[in-house]
Amino acid sequence: QVQVVQSGAEVKKPGDSVKISCTGSGYNFTNYPIHWVRQAPGQRLEWMAWINVDDGDTRYSQRYKGRVIITRDTSANTAYMELNSLKSEDTAVYYCALSAFDYWGQGTLVAVSS
Amino acid sequence: DIVLTQTPLSSPVTLGQPASISCRSSQSLVHSDGNTYLSWLHQRPGQPPRLLIYKISNRFSGVPDRFSGSGAGTDFTLKISRVEAEDVGVYYCLQGTQIPRTFGQGTKVEIK
Repeated sequence: QVQVVQSGAEVKKPGDSVKISCTGSGYNFTNYPIHWVRQAPGQRLEWMAWINVDDGDTRYSQRYKGRVIITRDTSANTAYMELNSLKSEDTAVYYCALSAFDYWGQGTLVAVSS
Repeated sequence: DIVLTQTPLSSPVTLGQPASISCRSSQSLVHSDGNTYLSWLHQRPGQPPRLLIYKISNRFSGVPDRFSGSGAGTDFTLKISRVEAEDVGVYYCLQGTQIPRTFGQGTKVEIK
């Protein structure tokens, strides 16, 4: 069965970077793009970026462009989201989801605090 | 960016009674390929969202038939025919027609 598993919670300081992984199994990894979505405490879901896992093409929300980098390693069936120059407002749960938002990772909590 | 506006934001419902959530888009969600990429998601506290409905009215695998979606263009509706206890949580509409993808602000469904 399809499974999407993310890396564990992170605690960071302002100005740090964080890199979250998203590993897919139970399907052909290169067949489905991956989205990254975040949810700040008590807030709505917010789309950040998308990667075509097959050719590495990426699309970013203007809000995060220049601060987020999405990559993938097809040999490891894993996609990555790196967010730089962290601020306290980046404290959120970060999710990866397959192309039609049909399968989601369990979420990764990133806490940013001095 | 496409803005999705959900109403109501909160919906107290009685078990066994119907519930309905509206999602209005700031522009048409009809894609150039002819499809309308409007989905509905359900999120329980502490859990990731779960896909219920895609392309307006198609139930995702394993979704009970008490959930149904309808609409066209800019106006869409999610209906629960008979609310069950497990249906509590927040419901989001999502558009997949344009980049950036956008979500509605969420509708909290709770039991009276």
